[in-house]
Amino acid sequence: SQQGEEDPQALSIQEGENATMNCSYKTSINNLQWYRQNSGRGLVHLILIRSNEREKHSGRLRVTLDTSKKSSSLLITASRAADTASYFCATEHHSGNTPLVFGKGTRLSVIA
Amino acid sequence: DSGVTQTPKHLITATGQRVTLRCSPRSGDLSVYWYQQSLDQGLQFLIQYYNGEERAKGNILERFSAQQFPDLHSELNLSSLELGDSALYFCASSLGQGGTEAFFGQGTRLTVV
Repeated sequence: SQQGEEDPQALSIQEGENATMNCSYKTSINNLQWYRQNSGRGLVHLILIRSNEREKHSGRLRVTLDTSKKSSSLLITASRAADTASYFCATEHHSGNTPLVFGKGTRLSVIA
Repeated sequence: DSGVTQTPKHLITATGQRVTLRCSPRSGDLSVYWYQQSLDQGLQFLIQYYNGEERAKGNILERFSAQQFPDLHSELNLSSLELGDSALYFCASSLGQGGTEAFFGQGTRLTVV
């Protein structure tokens, strides 16, 4: 079964608005990662947050992690049409000995 | 460009046939992962190799097999193909066994007719 579950499944916003996607997972993790996938193409790594971190920034991206709630959020500020893609969270088990397990993703549409 | 190369990009084949998907990992990466992505199942982990040895196994069917060669490239063999095997197959690589980001290839789109 999938480790991470993204919410919402789909999100449509206007250019310039902020987009927030959430991810919930089930077991203890070593780290949580966010990836982006443009339609039918390979996944691109966005950001990695370790279990002892609570927040991380990278450009217009802000990721939070709440291990007590087993949840994470990805915020994209000042969205652009080029941000239109699917976004996946992936978790690595706390043992560090298992591969990344992906959720089903959030489909983001940014309308110009 | 992630540095991970997958061939072929597209493959159309008939039910019952066998195909081989190839992956060259990023230079220096020792781990190779195979994932299957279909519309209704999301991204499913199939199998991982680390430095030539099988490291972890996921939801890989018995009809599927994989290996990693001494030069670290990997092949995924799919046999007795069924319509339901139609999907995008991704290879990813990482430096170690975990704890870092994974780099994905562009995928092989397999269509079984």
